[in-house]
Amino acid sequence: QSALTQPRSVSGSPGQSVTISCTGTSSDVGGYNYVSWYQQHPGRAPKLLIYDVTKRPSGVPDRCSGSKSGNTASLTISGLQAEDEADYYCSSYAGSYTWLFGGGTKVTVL
Amino acid sequence: QVQLVQSGAEVKKPGASVKVSCKSSGYTFTNHYVHWVRQAPGQGLDWMAVFNPTDGSADSAQRFRDRLTLTRDTPTSTVYMEVSSLKSEDTAVYYCASAPGSGSGYYRFDSWGQGTLVTVSS
Repeated sequence: QSALTQPRSVSGSPGQSVTISCTGTSSDVGGYNYVSWYQQHPGRAPKLLIYDVTKRPSGVPDRCSGSKSGNTASLTISGLQAEDEADYYCSSYAGSYTWLFGGGTKVTVL
Repeated sequence: QVQLVQSGAEVKKPGASVKVSCKSSGYTFTNHYVHWVRQAPGQGLDWMAVFNPTDGSADSAQRFRDRLTLTRDTPTSTVYMEVSSLKSEDTAVYYCASAPGSGSGYYRFDSWGQGTLVTVSS
């Protein structure tokens, strides 16, 4: 099983929107609605942002949203703020009680 | 609220084993699964295994299956991960993360420990 594919970096100005893609296969992203997204600031543990493709845990701003089409999931952060500068990882259940992560995307706020 | 506290940093020689603990609080110990995820320096997240504290069963990624042992101590709500035959490539921060046992909670990593740095060096 290979890692899910994410762009290495994306950037945007404050107030703009950025979208991060996460591409897998029909055996993981495309086969299950169990895609989740995590935010990680340097030196910190990851934090759950989105689960079950589109759901947000309490406390996560509605500026963050998730979607999926076929084998590709996406995370969109709208109204970009300085505090959004971090690394973002997607994850998907991959069947047979295994999970995959994407390689991570660095979001830079210009 | 759910809190996971991990043991401190370790330095090990190649070929040795390391045992990392993950103590949970804020929820019923047997109501959540515990995942283990590692992150090599400057690299991404790498899923290793999931543990069921209720019955002590575990599933792991194929590449770790021969070297990974997961156990628990229910009275102290602590899960342990032991990695044997350590190599320099095992140098990483190891995280535990909880996953609610109800509904679709099993499929996500809800709350994370602070991470434990394991350095493998001769």
